[in-house]
Amino acid sequence: QKEVEQDPGPLSVPEGAIVSLNCTYSNSAFQYFMWYRQYSRKGPELLMYTYSSGNKEDGRFTAQVDKSSKYISLFIRDSQPSDSATYLCAMKGQGAQKLVFGQGTRLTINP
Amino acid sequence: DAGVIQSPRHEVTEMGQEVTLRCKPISGHNSLFWYRQTMMRGLELLIYFNNNVPIDDSGMPEDRFSAKMPNASFSTLKIQPSEPRDSAVYFCASGRARNTGELFFGEGSRLTVL
Repeated sequence: QKEVEQDPGPLSVPEGAIVSLNCTYSNSAFQYFMWYRQYSRKGPELLMYTYSSGNKEDGRFTAQVDKSSKYISLFIRDSQPSDSATYLCAMKGQGAQKLVFGQGTRLTINP
Repeated sequence: DAGVIQSPRHEVTEMGQEVTLRCKPISGHNSLFWYRQTMMRGLELLIYFNNNVPIDDSGMPEDRFSAKMPNASFSTLKIQPSEPRDSAVYFCASGRARNTGELFFGEGSRLTVL
């Protein structure tokens, strides 16, 4: 079993829809949770960074962490075609340097 | 500010040939990571360095792979001899050792081994 599980999709939704992307994990030592966005033929770039449980909002993006369920989510409101990309969750433990990435979910927003 | 710079962007080679991938991290970053990305396995960490010293190479698939960081502004990943199963996109990323949740990735080197 992988440490981090993420549905690879693909996921296709109409413009303006609310998108929910999710990851589950098995290692209870994970404390830091990230979402990276990767456009086609580009490297991943950090989108959201959260510590421990709770919510974090940045514009149209909301990251949620539920450590009791070992479940993290990324919500995108009012989705735009420019949001079309692969979204990778990543996480690490306290003091750790290595990030463990999910498989990535390929998202397409249709105009 | 220049980001992480990788070269070559694309490499096509024949099985058995030596491949060298290069990376220039962001100035001031003291951690450097080499990842490999494939459709089947996603993003896998191969090796990372702190202050030019290899810290963890447990992700390097076998002895055919080697990585060096002779100074703070340059790293190489070498595959010798290359095999078709090495075909992937290889990413270099840099960050600050105290905050390696935030990694800055290069655009990748797409390797095809025929």
